[in-house]
Amino acid sequence: GAVVSQHPSRVICKSGTSVKIECRSLDFQATTMFWYRQFPKKSLMLMATSNEGSKATYEQGVEKDKFLINHASLTLSTLTVTSAHPEDSSFYICSARTTSPYNEQFFGPGTRLTVL
Amino acid sequence: DAKTTQPPSMDCAEGRAANLPCNHSTISGNEYVYWYRQIHSQGPQYIIHGLKNNETNEMASLIITEDRKSSTLILPHATLRDTAVYYCIVRVQSGGSYIPTFGRGTSLIVHP
Repeated sequence: GAVVSQHPSRVICKSGTSVKIECRSLDFQATTMFWYRQFPKKSLMLMATSNEGSKATYEQGVEKDKFLINHASLTLSTLTVTSAHPEDSSFYICSARTTSPYNEQFFGPGTRLTVL
Repeated sequence: DAKTTQPPSMDCAEGRAANLPCNHSTISGNEYVYWYRQIHSQGPQYIIHGLKNNETNEMASLIITEDRKSSTLILPHATLRDTAVYYCIVRVQSGGSYIPTFGRGTSLIVHP
């Protein structure tokens, strides 16, 4: 299957700082990428859908000014957690969807964010 | 809104078959059944998918009932590394409007 990478794999930051997470589709072009958040022992919760060249679509309850998403190319989407707080500590996972006809979805390995 | 229901947890002895059920009674005619698994602290991994025929690959087998209202993922010889949360999802295969969402899945523990 296709490969999706995330960087960094884990990050620890101080409260109030901003953290950028990169998601790359390594061997295919992805017009659509998704960002999920997962708290311990919980399922993946979709945060936003990112379309290349346009603004992201956020799920209800997700603050777009706090979680900035940029999808500037067909192989890269970034999620920036601005002014991070301890409650933002979570496992962030991206996925990328291939183009038609099958629109298969592949997931990155995740990024563990810890805000002190 | 959940379109699938799965038992929250199951356990299986190493070397035995693990049979994970999934109910999807409201599945539409053009929706496929997809299975993913997530090993602790990793991203979800695709396992298998099917429409109405049984499917088999190097990882697992998928048995879909004739009425398509339920399915079973079979790991024929479970190993300790198969311990993970298994997610059953129904989705259309083509079309760009699909937004993937996950339920709670089944936590499978394979014990020695």
